[in-house]
Amino acid sequence: EPEVTQTPSHQVTQMGQEVILRCVPISNHLYFYWYRQILGQKVEFLVSFYNNEISEKSEIFDDQFSVERPDGSNFTLKIRSTKLEDSAMYFCASSEARNRQETQYFGPGTRLLVL
Amino acid sequence: AQSVTQLDSHVSVSEGTPVLLRCNYSSSYSPSLFWYVQHPNKGLQLLLKYTSAATLVKGINGFEAEFKKSETSFHLTKPSAHMSDAAEYFCVVRSGGGADGLTFGKGTHLIIQP
Repeated sequence: EPEVTQTPSHQVTQMGQEVILRCVPISNHLYFYWYRQILGQKVEFLVSFYNNEISEKSEIFDDQFSVERPDGSNFTLKIRSTKLEDSAMYFCASSEARNRQETQYFGPGTRLLVL
Repeated sequence: AQSVTQLDSHVSVSEGTPVLLRCNYSSSYSPSLFWYVQHPNKGLQLLLKYTSAATLVKGINGFEAEFKKSETSFHLTKPSAHMSDAAEYFCVVRSGGGADGLTFGKGTHLIIQP
């Protein structure tokens, strides 16, 4: 069964450094998403992406964040200058369509620790 | 605006006994509702979803959930727990208002006692 994959599974970085989290969505999916979960808190929506553009973003997704689909398979989340509060589990997801009934399929997550 | 409340952060049951994980939601529009499960070091896997068809929804691994609009609830049940059901369960809502993002509950950790 096709799966969303994410690399790395864990990343440790120093405050102020740039990090890039990578995701490979399911191959025939057109819509891509990033979510994050700070330890002990809810999973929160960050951004959705379609046709090489951001479709929607939450208040969390400020200028420090960017997303890109650099080639036909990868979907990346970049944090330009990490802060301590960026420490979280980051989940990538993808879906075939955008309607509210559509299932979003999630990857296993990347655990980011900012020191 | 939409929100999800999972009423229990932890639920412990004995193997072979019924499971009930409770979820209440609020949504300004007709929502879709989902239950996802997360086993350790695995991604979030869809268990089942409600999308305005039948109010009783059957999912994988013997789980089912009933959409009750009058109670704004979408509780997850299973008649007989198995050790492999031990995991974190998330109730999720997506509004019909056109928003892309899913809104998650805080999760319920299901513990199965042998």
